[in-house]
Amino acid sequence: AQTVTQSQPEMSVQEAETVTLSCTYDTSESDYYLFWYKQPPSRQMILVIRQEAYKQQNATENRFSVNFQKAAKSFSLKISDSQLGDAAMYFCAYRKNDMRFGAGTRLTVKP
Amino acid sequence: DGGITQSPKYLFRKEGQNVTLSCEQNLNHDAMYWYRQDPGQGLRLIYYSQIVNDFQKGDIAEGYSVSREKKESFPLTVTSAQKNPTAFYLCASSPTGARRNQPQHFGDGTRLSIL
Repeated sequence: AQTVTQSQPEMSVQEAETVTLSCTYDTSESDYYLFWYKQPPSRQMILVIRQEAYKQQNATENRFSVNFQKAAKSFSLKISDSQLGDAAMYFCAYRKNDMRFGAGTRLTVKP
Repeated sequence: DGGITQSPKYLFRKEGQNVTLSCEQNLNHDAMYWYRQDPGQGLRLIYYSQIVNDFQKGDIAEGYSVSREKKESFPLTVTSAQKNPTAFYLCASSPTGARRNQPQHFGDGTRLSIL
């Protein structure tokens, strides 16, 4: 089974600053999809951003962007101009046929 | 509005009892999934189904069973063989085929506890 690794259990960022969350994955496939989800204390799963592996261009959604390095099997999330509402658990996910998640990174935003 | 409905929100299980968690979706998605989340941890895949009457085991299927008799429904039964069932359970659905680049949609979850 494919594995997804998030090596940072916790991260902290000052409000308005930039933070990068790391994610690596293991696969022998060439065609797959990658996602970042946010889970606030309410436990809802909220899609942040997604990336198709066949696309070289890094995905961007407003303040959120990714650095997708296919050869290195790396998919990091950059949050710019961090806001208090960004505080949550962030999960990286890999999809081919099923969908696998990393263990998560808890992000704290300091005012 | 389309979405995924999980019920109940809270569930208590007695020792030796089987319990069933409901998951219904009206998004017309072919694929459905069940995940288990323990406190402070990520989502672990229990079972998934890509089409009616077919499903596959995930990483932690032991002690669980599922059925997929209808496209809209994917109930999860936590059997008495699951010795540590206390967790938060999330159901999800997604398109397949040409639309499988679309993200999963999630329900609001069921919290299961042992009495």
